[in-house]
Amino acid sequence: GENVEQHPSTLSVQEGDSAVIKCTYSDSASNYFPWYKQELGKRPQLIIDIRSNVGEKKDQRIAVTLNKTAKHFSLHITETQPEDSAVYFCAASKDSGYALNFGKGTSLLVTP
Amino acid sequence: EAGVAQSPRYKIIEKRQSVAFWCNPISGHATLYWYQQILGQGPKLLIQFQNNGVVDDSQLPKDRFSAERLKGVDSTLKIQPAKLEDSAVYLCASSRSGVGELFFGEGSRLTVL
Repeated sequence: GENVEQHPSTLSVQEGDSAVIKCTYSDSASNYFPWYKQELGKRPQLIIDIRSNVGEKKDQRIAVTLNKTAKHFSLHITETQPEDSAVYFCAASKDSGYALNFGKGTSLLVTP
Repeated sequence: EAGVAQSPRYKIIEKRQSVAFWCNPISGHATLYWYQQILGQGPKLLIQFQNNGVVDDSQLPKDRFSAERLKGVDSTLKIQPAKLEDSAVYLCASSRSGVGELFFGEGSRLTVL
């Protein structure tokens, strides 16, 4: 089955700096790559996603890039704020109807 | 629209006891998932339903875990007998026919002593 690796497991940045989280996947048939944010004690919530026919997608301070050849994708957060502190999970799946396989998560801490 | 509802939010049991969790997905969402999230790890799929049929239960420990979605709406996940390693948050999620965004419930936190 699909294996999603995520790095780093923890990341600490100063407010205003950028943060980058990287994921690799094993199944070349995967074509949907979402990112979820989970605040302490809360449910995971989708923050951005990308499909394999797109190389990059941006939404305000958040961007995701995809390299299908290398089978890796990354989350970029610019101008980080303390409220960005949370655990971020990448995930991958094949076509519609298949469940998401999640990475182990990255705990991001943004210090003022 | 109302979100995914789960209950109970917290449950503490002794090992070898049984427990059941309930989930009501967002209205109109045909696909329902149960994920297990152990502390410090990402959610791991246990079972996926499309309406009332099972799509994927390859990672469900069938000797102790069972799940059903009888009328294609709400679902129940049961563990019997529980083991210490079952301590986790059990997340229910739903989506429109397995496409795109998963909407998660608040989760049911299980502690097995």
